[in-house]
Amino acid sequence: QKEVEQDPGPLSVPEGAIVSLNCTYSNSAFQYFMWYRQYSRKGPELLMYTYSSGNKEDGRFTAQVDKSSKYISLFIRDSQPSDSATYLCAMRRNDGNNRKLIWGLGTSLAVNP
Amino acid sequence: SQTIHQWPATLVQPVGSPLSLECTVEGTSNPNLYWYRQAAGRGLQLLFYSVGIGQISSEVPQNLSASRPQDRQFILSSKKLLLSDSGFYLCAWSGRYEQYFGPGTRLTVT
Repeated sequence: QKEVEQDPGPLSVPEGAIVSLNCTYSNSAFQYFMWYRQYSRKGPELLMYTYSSGNKEDGRFTAQVDKSSKYISLFIRDSQPSDSATYLCAMRRNDGNNRKLIWGLGTSLAVNP
Repeated sequence: SQTIHQWPATLVQPVGSPLSLECTVEGTSNPNLYWYRQAAGRGLQLLFYSVGIGQISSEVPQNLSASRPQDRQFILSSKKLLLSDSGFYLCAWSGRYEQYFGPGTRLTVT
């Protein structure tokens, strides 16, 4: 079993829809949780990061962490065609100086005008 | 602000040829640096990371090596490329909690 599981999709939604992207993980030691967006043939771009449990909001994006269920989510409100990309979750423990991230495989999202 | 550079952007190399990819970071000192490979339609595979000059840790046994000759320079090399080395190579540096990526190098081995 992988440490981080993420449905690869593809996920196709109409413009304006609310999008929900999710990852599950198995290691209860993970403390930092991140979401990245990757456009085709580009490097991943950090969208949001959260520490421990709770919600964090940034514009149309909301990140949720439920440590009791080992489940994280990214919600995109009023989705736009420009949101079409692959979304990767990543997480790490709070120890060690290597700061390695454990990655999901990414979910491909298409927002149709 | 911090900036990360990678070059070249695209590379086509024959099997058995050598490889050198370079990554440099500006605007930060003593960063942790990482090399990843991303195969088509797949996730990120960590290849090497470095916590300081001359300090390299390898994550996956392979045909590649890495070096960090200066604080903000990270180099990925191979003496003889294999077909399986094709992919999208990404360099990243670590902030306090998160990582920031360069634009990547797309390598095709023919």
